[in-house]
Amino acid sequence: GENVEQHPSTLSVQEGDSAVIKCTYSDSASNYFPWYKQELGKRPQLIIDIRSNVGEKKDQRIAVTLNKTAKHFSLHITETQPEDSAVYFCAASMGAIQGAQKLVFGQGTRLTINP
Amino acid sequence: KAGVTQTPRYLIKTRGQQVTLSCSPISGHRSVSWYQQTPGQGLQFLFEYFSETQRNKGNFPGRFSGRQFSNSRSEMNVSTLELGDSALYLCASSFGLAGYNEQFFGPGTRLTVL
Repeated sequence: GENVEQHPSTLSVQEGDSAVIKCTYSDSASNYFPWYKQELGKRPQLIIDIRSNVGEKKDQRIAVTLNKTAKHFSLHITETQPEDSAVYFCAASMGAIQGAQKLVFGQGTRLTINP
Repeated sequence: KAGVTQTPRYLIKTRGQQVTLSCSPISGHRSVSWYQQTPGQGLQFLFEYFSETQRNKGNFPGRFSGRQFSNSRSEMNVSTLELGDSALYLCASSFGLAGYNEQFFGPGTRLTVL
């Protein structure tokens, strides 16, 4: 079926350390993989995305890697700061109907940065 | 540019009633997608509308329906409300189809069914 599994569900790290969140997806035709950050009481916002023709993408302290063979992608946050505390969602495009894929989201990871 | 807006922000209904939620996308965006967010299920895709046509839909019962107008504004309707429909309903807009483009989310409508 159409599924994105995200691990861990909660993650606590010390300020300054790195955090890694992993996702696996079920559809080999998936070609777009965004990551969204949702702070408490706020709307989700895109922080980084990657397409299937790229293996890695970096934006300052945030990076995403994609392994199409394993159907696995990961979010890496380095030098974590208190403002990184939020819920992070991965997503994968899949289930095309008439050429339109939908985004299927993972269950979310609650990241807490401890000062 | 103004962001995505949703009305109303909060709704309280009773079982069996119906409800209509509204979403105004960012100017120029032609795609509007709807999601249900609950603590246990995360973000569940409901449907996507692009240029007034439903382009994709998730695994929700027929009680959930939507439409999009020529100005790209979208409405979502839930009929015969059930307790399990209590959730935060988010809409998101994108310039192109949602499966390929950055989506911008609205603040959500929190629906409580009593």
